Amino acid sequence: DQQVKQNSPSLSVQEGRISILNCDYTNSMFDYFLWYKKYPAEGPTFLISISSIKDKNEDGRFTVFLNKSAKHLSLHIVPSQPGDSAVYFCAAAYSGAGSYQLTFGKGTKLSVIP
Amino acid sequence: DGGITQSPKYLFRKEGQNVTLSCEQNLNHDAMYWYRQDPGQGLRLIYYSQIVNDFQKGDIAEGYSVSREKKESFPLTVTSAQKNPTAFYLCASSLQGVATEAFFGQGTRLTVV
Repeated sequence: DQQVKQNSPSLSVQEGRISILNCDYTNSMFDYFLWYKKYPAEGPTFLISISSIKDKNEDGRFTVFLNKSAKHLSLHIVPSQPGDSAVYFCAAAYSGAGSYQLTFGKGTKLSVIP
Repeated sequence: DGGITQSPKYLFRKEGQNVTLSCEQNLNHDAMYWYRQDPGQGLRLIYYSQIVNDFQKGDIAEGYSVSREKKESFPLTVTSAQKNPTAFYLCASSLQGVATEAFFGQGTRLTVV
């Protein structure tokens, strides 16, 4: 049973437009959410995170929105650039047992078209 | 430079052989993790360790073993009992008990022939 779901395997966006990547989760104990960016044959790199006490976090072109009642979060990239083309993983964690283990979605491959 | 290092980047082994993947970090992180990535799949947790000399199974621990004798090191052994060992393996580390990001290594691509 997938606890973190990214239902869109891929997304294509024109350069300069907004990219919106979505993520849903089922475990209401999750209290910390992260987005990672991954290029082929490389490790994921951290992009942005949000705690469950917030509903929005912004960092430059990247904004993450959290809707706890819907168990949904989204990553907005504005404006999208060709260098943003990568696989984006949504991850969730909870502080059970004192360790923030990450549960990942399957990823969404973003292609930004010049 | 602080970071997390996995070696080697590519590894080839014959079926039936055990193989050990290296993971070293100098970030002074207590927690370390091993994930596996397959095409079209997310990252699945194999094992994790919150402290030296202690580790727990993740979601797909069968056919794998780990050790945590030093804070900096968390090697993963892929044993012959692992049915489908060919995959991309990622090691990560994070601060213990703090809601923060995990840092990943560059990964090891294991191919079993």
